[in-house]
Amino acid sequence: EVKLVESGGGLVQPGGSLRLSCAASGFTFDDYAMHWVRRAPGKGLEWVSGISWSSGGIGYADSVTGRFAISRDNAKNSLYLQMNSLRVEDTALYYCARDRLSRSWDAFDIWGQGTMVTVSS
Amino acid sequence: DIQLTQSPSFLSASVGDRVTITCRASQGIDSYLAWYQQKPGKAPKLLIYAASTLQSGVPSRFSGSGSGTEFTLTISSLQPEDFASYYCQQLNSYPYTFGQGTKLESK
Repeated sequence: EVKLVESGGGLVQPGGSLRLSCAASGFTFDDYAMHWVRRAPGKGLEWVSGISWSSGGIGYADSVTGRFAISRDNAKNSLYLQMNSLRVEDTALYYCARDRLSRSWDAFDIWGQGTMVTVSS
Repeated sequence: DIQLTQSPSFLSASVGDRVTITCRASQGIDSYLAWYQQKPGKAPKLLIYAASTLQSGVPSRFSGSGSGTEFTLTISSLQPEDFASYYCQQLNSYPYTFGQGTKLESK
């Protein structure tokens, strides 16, 4: 079964840091680009960051550029999101998602169930 | 950055209705557009990719059309399980962006 499982969310104070993880299984992880998408309470979906299968291509939303860093460890079938200088507006459910096609850039066909990040004092 | 504007933001409809949601891009994105459905407490589900191609397993009452800057998602005959939120997403260039969403409610 193709599966993505996020972890690492929690409560953090403004200005703090958190590292999210996404464990992949059931497919050849190092063949696929991966992404982080978030949904703040009462808001819509927001793409946060994406990384190519080889880590050669990386992108970020303007709202997180300079504060968040995406990475992956293909040997461990894992995707990460290092979040620094967290703000109240970063409070959201964070999803990890997989591109539909291998070694390409495409829509997201597999999603995890999400991990909640709450930034509050 | 490419902005996507969805309309309407809210839509009330009945089972059996034909429903259309529009997504407009701030600049041309060819056919690099996807549509997702999201229900409360669930992860988003891919419905349509490449503007008009139905994802495997998605019922044929869903269809997508358009290219360039204007796109539509149509549900030909609304079913009870279709009441949800719908989002378009551009995949033309980073940063990828989503539309603000359309909440489809039962009338």
